[in-house]
Amino acid sequence: IAGITQAPTSQILAAGRRMTLRCTQDMRHNAMYWYRQDLGLGLRLIHYSNTAGTTGKGEVPDGYSVSRANTDDFPLTLASAVPSQTSVYFCASSATGEYTEAFFGQGTRLTVV
Amino acid sequence: QKEVEQDPGPLSVPEGAIVSLNCTYSNSAFQYFMWYRQYSRKGPELLMYTYSSGNKEDGRFTAQVDKSSKYISLFIRDSQPSDSATYLCAMSAVNKVIFGPGTSLSVIP
Repeated sequence: IAGITQAPTSQILAAGRRMTLRCTQDMRHNAMYWYRQDLGLGLRLIHYSNTAGTTGKGEVPDGYSVSRANTDDFPLTLASAVPSQTSVYFCASSATGEYTEAFFGQGTRLTVV
Repeated sequence: QKEVEQDPGPLSVPEGAIVSLNCTYSNSAFQYFMWYRQYSRKGPELLMYTYSSGNKEDGRFTAQVDKSSKYISLFIRDSQPSDSATYLCAMSAVNKVIFGPGTSLSVIP
């Protein structure tokens, strides 16, 4: 089934550890996004990529990094996790940077202890 | 002031009721207005989107945008238990999209 695959689905991580959340899409979308979702705050954009080889910072980029080596993959790395990064992380993609329709993955539930 | 405001609810209605969900925003640069539905422990899925002001209907769902008032609405007619979910409004301009915090809706059989 076409769509976005995120891995892992959930993770408990010790503070200070490094972690990479994986995201792969098979729809050949140019634009990809990483959001975090927290109760009462909604979805907040962490980083985005309008096309392979380019990335940009969103609303809450600190503590996170991304890369876009090819069209399909957009991994999100936490270099040194902190408890405030406990959240549900969603990867999304869209056909263009104008953001008409975005398709979301199932999310990764991350708990930093 | 947040760029997008949305009453988080929770909202509980009986089956068959008309539901009205609303968002207000402050940035006049927003051009695309979207409603996403998110079931528990799932990713959001696009329900409807409109460009600029006006109405758009799709089955039991109607989206309205009033740019002069910076106000958008989603109406659900003949609500069903399967409509129970969190509904997020979203708005976008070039290279920018902002989501509301979502309204939790429960439709009681």
